[in-house]
Amino acid sequence: NAGVTQTPKFQVLKTGQSMTLQCAQDMNHEYMSWYRQDPGMGLRLIHYSVGAGITDQGEVPNGYNVSRSTTEDFPLRLLSAAPSQTSVYFCASSPLTSVLTDTQYFGPGTRLTVL
Amino acid sequence: AQTVTQSQPEMSVQEAETVTLSCTYDTSENNYYLFWYKQPPSRQMILVIRQEAYKQQNATENRFSVNFQKAAKSFSLKISDSQLGDTAMYFCASTGGGADGLTFGKGTHLIIQP
Repeated sequence: NAGVTQTPKFQVLKTGQSMTLQCAQDMNHEYMSWYRQDPGMGLRLIHYSVGAGITDQGEVPNGYNVSRSTTEDFPLRLLSAAPSQTSVYFCASSPLTSVLTDTQYFGPGTRLTVL
Repeated sequence: AQTVTQSQPEMSVQEAETVTLSCTYDTSENNYYLFWYKQPPSRQMILVIRQEAYKQQNATENRFSVNFQKAAKSFSLKISDSQLGDTAMYFCASTGGGADGLTFGKGTHLIIQP
């Protein structure tokens, strides 16, 4: 049981490049989400999904796309990276029945730098 | 919209001392949960303790306890007998705004001095 995995751990991009941050979980959790963590800002929700085929926007969705074709995977796409997207990105998951009442399971994070 | 406020950017105490981290929140929800997460230098987010708003009894997990004041919308974390391994960022978070996950405070960097 690997929990929540994220790849890559580190990435450097140039402005305008595109990339996909991968997130996978093997706990059969319906709920998955993406957060970004900036210095002095805490974690802010980008997008979330309550099941395969269903996604919705969080607090800071601009510049990011997501899709959920399977229960296990929830990739985050940056179509045209900007320096303002330099951040640490966390993926999290939980059972849908406890998304509001219990802990979410966080991945180890991806540190992204956009030059 | 929910807000979570942590007013102490950084705190430093000696090993074995007791330290209290402050958190206030604002929500219009009737039922919600409050959490404290620890983030050590490894970046891993680790749940420390959680509190259901409907429960008046303060949650306790070993050396960690909370002081939950619902009317004041306050949710402080007390760490007793602090240890060097407690050095980390601590985030207060709340749910209750629908399925859109957690609202986090900006964090408190706690340093335990030997």
